[in-house]
Amino acid sequence: AQSVAQPEDQVNVAEGNPLTVKCTYSVSGNPYLFWYVQYPNRGLQFLLKYITGDNLVKGSYGFEAEFNKSQTSFHLKKPSALVSDSALYFCAVVEGVYNTDKLIFGTGTRLQVFP
Amino acid sequence: DAMVIQNPRYQVTQFGKPVTLSCSQTLNHNVMYWYQQKSSQAPKLLFHYYDKDFNNEADTPDNFQSRRPNTSFCFLDIRSPGLGDAAMYLCATSRGYGGSGGVEQFFGPGTRLTVL
Repeated sequence: AQSVAQPEDQVNVAEGNPLTVKCTYSVSGNPYLFWYVQYPNRGLQFLLKYITGDNLVKGSYGFEAEFNKSQTSFHLKKPSALVSDSALYFCAVVEGVYNTDKLIFGTGTRLQVFP
Repeated sequence: DAMVIQNPRYQVTQFGKPVTLSCSQTLNHNVMYWYQQKSSQAPKLLFHYYDKDFNNEADTPDNFQSRRPNTSFCFLDIRSPGLGDAAMYLCATSRGYGGSGGVEQFFGPGTRLTVL
């Protein structure tokens, strides 16, 4: 079965510094990976996805993620963090590619950006 | 703007009193999903509709039911809410199954359910 792991419950970073939120995956075939962000009392917002092609994926709000097949990782990055980036971030992988596109979420990482 | 709308945003019900949560979409997407999310945990898929075809997750309690009368609307019915059903309920849509696995889901703002 497909799964993703987010090893950090919380990441703290100062505003203006680069940020990284980690995600590793375990899949039996080609990985289809997503990042979503959730602000307090809101639904999830799609940030970016990796399906195939360039290992560096660019997404919304200046975020990007690097797909690394040898390390089975898909870390989320941003060169310069903003206080407004503080939120809960979920990595996800698709299960059942030809059937249901069911999203399997990681446990989430809370990003706190300090002024 | 095209979007996913959930009503109400906050719902309070009593233990055992049936409750219905509503989701509507203007995206004209084929697939509508219902998730349960507790205390900033990962969302847990309850079931989804592909058009009129209903797909239940194996571990979704019988207490949870769903209806999709048309493309735009989908309802989550909780027949006899227990204290453990207090959670955020998220509706999501997608334009179909990706085939290549690449179809993202669009989420509504959620309904926070409190059970007294």
